Amino acid sequence: KQEVTQIPAALSVPEGENLVLNCSFTDSAIYNLQWFRQDPGKGLTSLLLIQSSQREQTSGRLNASLDKSSGRSTLYIAASQPGDSATYLCAVRPRSGGSNYKLTFGKGTLLTVNP
Amino acid sequence: EAQVTQNPRYLITVTGKKLTVTCSQNMNHEYMSWYRQDPGLGLRQIYYSMNVEVTDKGDVPEGYKVSRKEKRNFPLILESPSPNQTSLYFCASSFGGEQFFGPGTRLTVL
Repeated sequence: KQEVTQIPAALSVPEGENLVLNCSFTDSAIYNLQWFRQDPGKGLTSLLLIQSSQREQTSGRLNASLDKSSGRSTLYIAASQPGDSATYLCAVRPRSGGSNYKLTFGKGTLLTVNP
Repeated sequence: EAQVTQNPRYLITVTGKKLTVTCSQNMNHEYMSWYRQDPGLGLRQIYYSMNVEVTDKGDVPEGYKVSRKEKRNFPLILESPSPNQTSLYFCASSFGGEQFFGPGTRLTVL
């Protein structure tokens, strides 16, 4: 059974810092990995999607890497801003899901960027 | 704008009173799914649908029903809600790669 772990559970940084969020998964047979952002009381916003054949994806100040063999992904946020404060969720879709594109989610990292 | 919409966004109801949470997507996605999010448990899949008239159970289907009569709509039905179904519900859709989530429905069952 796939398990996804995110460390740390919470992180507080001053504005302007570069930071890394970690995600690990137990079964490396994945189809893709997706990073989401969740604001309090709001939905999930997709940030980056990495296919299993890719090593990294970039969008603006965000860079996500994937090391499938070691079961790890990182989300790098450059020059953090208070508006980046949110919960960041990592989710993997297994290769074995068949017609079910079910995502297995980590519990998230609550990021606070202080002005 | 490509999006997944859910209604209502907030709902307080009483035990046993049937309710439906609607989900609609405008991206012509074949795949749609429902999740619930609970503190300490994260997001868990309730049901999914690969296409019209094709639905199947996820990890926590007990107490829920779904239907898929049209490609764009995937309603979640609670025929006799109970307090343990108090949760934040998300609908999602996908073409096979990236998954897009709705804004969530916060349901409280008293």
